[in-house]
Amino acid sequence: NAGVTQTPKFRVLKTGQSMTLLCAQDMNHEYMYWYRQDPGMGLRLIHYSVGEGTTAKGEVPDGYNVSRLKKQNFLLGLESAAPSQTSVYFCASSSGAAVSALHFGNGTRLTVT
Amino acid sequence: QKEVEQDPGPLSVPEGAIVSLNCTYSNSAFQYFMWYRQYSRKGPELLMYTYSSGNKEDGRFTAQVDKSSKYISLFIRDSQPSDSATYLCAPDYGGATNKLIFGTGTLLAVQP
Repeated sequence: NAGVTQTPKFRVLKTGQSMTLLCAQDMNHEYMYWYRQDPGMGLRLIHYSVGEGTTAKGEVPDGYNVSRLKKQNFLLGLESAAPSQTSVYFCASSSGAAVSALHFGNGTRLTVT
Repeated sequence: QKEVEQDPGPLSVPEGAIVSLNCTYSNSAFQYFMWYRQYSRKGPELLMYTYSSGNKEDGRFTAQVDKSSKYISLFIRDSQPSDSATYLCAPDYGGATNKLIFGTGTLLAVQP
């Protein structure tokens, strides 16, 4: 049982380049999330999805887009990367029960030069 | 004022020590109080949670909430080197969406 898998694990981009981060979960969870983690800032929610075909903005959505075409996948896109987007990106999923654990992947470490 | 404040540490203790990790929060609407543990270069994982005020014990770990002072604590008894990690508090309003507000995390190192 793989849980939540993120690809790629590492990436270096130049300013202005684009990329897509892929998250896949095999727990049949309804809810999926993208967070970024920065030193001194903690985990901040970028976008989330409450089911296939839905997306919603979190705390820091600017510069990112997401799509949830299939229940098991949640994609995070950067259309024009900026150095301020250098961070560790975590995907998570949850069942949607009233108090349910977030299950996290192991992160994508992105550097934008 | 941040919604959740947490001392970033690092906190270094000898093996066997009792560890106290703390958070404060500002929003009285929070009902559930989660603690996540994050090992180096890994994603966070849920350690335990409490509902409203009071204590909850799970093995060597005890979570405590005082809603009157908006103060959250995690105690680790007989700390082990394997407890070395970052501990993040995360209050929650309850409900399905789980849009948690995470503290910045406290880095704990347990020295053998």
